[in-house]
Amino acid sequence: AQSVSQHNHHVILSEAASLELGCNYSYGGTVNLFWYVQYPGQHLQLLLKYFSGDPLVKGIKGFEAEFIKSKFSFNLRKPSVQWSDTAEYFCAVTGGTNAGKSTFGDGTTLTVKP
Amino acid sequence: DGGITQSPKYLFRKEGQNVTLSCEQNLNHDAMYWYRQDPGQGLRLIYYSQIVNDFQKGDIAEGYSVSREKKESFPLTVTSAQKNPTAFYLCASSIDLYWNTEAFFGQGTRLTVV
Repeated sequence: AQSVSQHNHHVILSEAASLELGCNYSYGGTVNLFWYVQYPGQHLQLLLKYFSGDPLVKGIKGFEAEFIKSKFSFNLRKPSVQWSDTAEYFCAVTGGTNAGKSTFGDGTTLTVKP
Repeated sequence: DGGITQSPKYLFRKEGQNVTLSCEQNLNHDAMYWYRQDPGQGLRLIYYSQIVNDFQKGDIAEGYSVSREKKESFPLTVTSAQKNPTAFYLCASSIDLYWNTEAFFGQGTRLTVV
């Protein structure tokens, strides 16, 4: 079965620090990749997505992610985090036997200290 | 505004009772989903529906039931057979079940069994 692994369950950073959250997926065929974010008290929303083309994708609020097919990875990055980035981040994949149904990672809770 | 509305936001249930969670969308999406979110376990798929009057079991369907009588509505019933129903439930929709579409989420219902 398809699976998604997020390496860090809880990350604590100070403001202005750089962020990288790891995501690896198991399916070897063509996939679409997503990062979703859940701010405290808000609904889960799309941060960025990769369907095809340039493997470096840019999302909202200065986030970006790089798709490395050979490593089955889709890591999320931000050069300088802000307190308002405190949230839970989920990596997800569609494709393969799951078609349009998303398979999610366990999530990473990011806490940014002011 | 287009979106997904889940109600109620908080729900308390006595053991042995069935309870129904509401999910309505006005995005004109064909596909709808129910996920369960537990701390440290990400989102797990309960049921999904590709079209009206059709739905399929997800990864953890036991103890749950759904219906899809209207395109915009996908209610979830948590039955007394569900052994551990206390959780956060998220409803989502996407344009279709093909793999190159992202999901849109409601704000969730937190169910507590007392």
